[in-house]
Amino acid sequence: EDKVVQSPLSLVVHEGDTVTLNCSYEVTNFRSLLWYKQEKKAPTFLFMLTSSGIEKKSGRLSSILDKKELSSILNITATQTGDSAIYLCAATNTGNQFYFGTGTSLTVIP
Amino acid sequence: GAGVSQSPSNKVTEKGKDVELRCDPISGHTALYWYRQSLGQGLEFLIYFQGNSAPDKSGLPSDRFSAERTGGSVSTLTIQRTQQEDSAVYLCASSLATIGPGRSSYNEQFFGPGTRLTVL
Repeated sequence: EDKVVQSPLSLVVHEGDTVTLNCSYEVTNFRSLLWYKQEKKAPTFLFMLTSSGIEKKSGRLSSILDKKELSSILNITATQTGDSAIYLCAATNTGNQFYFGTGTSLTVIP
Repeated sequence: GAGVSQSPSNKVTEKGKDVELRCDPISGHTALYWYRQSLGQGLEFLIYFQGNSAPDKSGLPSDRFSAERTGGSVSTLTIQRTQQEDSAVYLCASSLATIGPGRSSYNEQFFGPGTRLTVL
């Protein structure tokens, strides 16, 4: 059964902390892994990873894919209250089907 | 176990035809969302159902789009007079209640595998 598992389920940190969110997948004919940030109605796209070992960065956020371990991490450094959100991970297959994790809820306390 | 299911998994249609996409949420989940994922873009919110409340239709891109949720369970997204720009993956998600960050309000959101719509 194809699936994506995220951990932790929820996380509460203080401003300035660094957090690491985990995503593991078991998807046949895997194509890519995507990270989203969801604050309100629709998740906003963060990263798409297709190659193993290549880090993608955007400001204080970075992510990397490990195809050998079938996993990905999302790092957020110097967290701010605006980083409070649910972070979703999704894996796609070559048939363009999406397999989402249930998300990690991040709360950043001032 | 039974997760969110969507049907069909793939749909190819001709421009101008109507299509219906179906979502079966997890039993007992009161919240149901429809999203659209176009090539190279993020998820676009379409519509949100919460229990017996009036749905939030603020994301529907035009009046050709409509959705209903019968009996608080199965939902159908209908696109009338399809256009080529409607081609996308349509995703459905359900949860116990409203999605939001923070331990007090967070409820896990479960996504279906999506329906890939291609309008020729």
